[in-house]
Amino acid sequence: AQSVTQLGSHVSVSEGALVLLRCNYSSSVPPYLFWYVQYPNQGLQLLLKYTSAATLVKGINGFEAEFKKSETSFHLTKPSAHMSDAAEYFCAVSEGDKIIFGKGTRLHILP
Amino acid sequence: DTAVSQTPKYLVTQMGNDKSIKCEQNLGHDTMYWYKQDSKKFLKIMFSYNNKELIINETVPNRFSPKSPDKAHLNLHINSLELGDSAVYFCASSHLAGGNEQFFGPGTRLTVL
Repeated sequence: AQSVTQLGSHVSVSEGALVLLRCNYSSSVPPYLFWYVQYPNQGLQLLLKYTSAATLVKGINGFEAEFKKSETSFHLTKPSAHMSDAAEYFCAVSEGDKIIFGKGTRLHILP
Repeated sequence: DTAVSQTPKYLVTQMGNDKSIKCEQNLGHDTMYWYKQDSKKFLKIMFSYNNKELIINETVPNRFSPKSPDKAHLNLHINSLELGDSAVYFCASSHLAGGNEQFFGPGTRLTVL
């Protein structure tokens, strides 16, 4: 079975600093990988997805993620954090007809 | 122009009651899902329907019964509500194929007293 592990349930960065949210996946076949964001009291919204094209995937709001097969990783980054980035972030992997979500990382932005 | 909508947004009820949550999508997708998000934000799939047919049924108590009258609607009925059912329930939809994005509704916060 596929799975994803997100390192750190809470991450705090200063406004303007680099954002790095870590995700490692477990998959026996080339995976489809996703990052979703959930703002308070809202549903999930897709930030970006990897579907075996380019290994560096650019998403919305300045986020990007790099697929590294050798490290089984799909970390999410943003060069400069903004206060509006404060949210819950979920890494996910596609398994057949369903998507398996990680446990989420809460991103806090410090002024 | 809401893509995936759910009603109600909030639901407060007593233990033992029966309640329903409705979901509709106007994206033309053929697959719809129900997820449960607990207080620790853990998101777990419950059910999935493709063209009105059940394709995913995780280990969910049979008090939970999804119903899909057509491929644009997937409702969730819950019998004999328990305290542990308190959570946020999300509906989602997508085209059925590996790697396709799921679009989520705004969620229904269920509180069982």
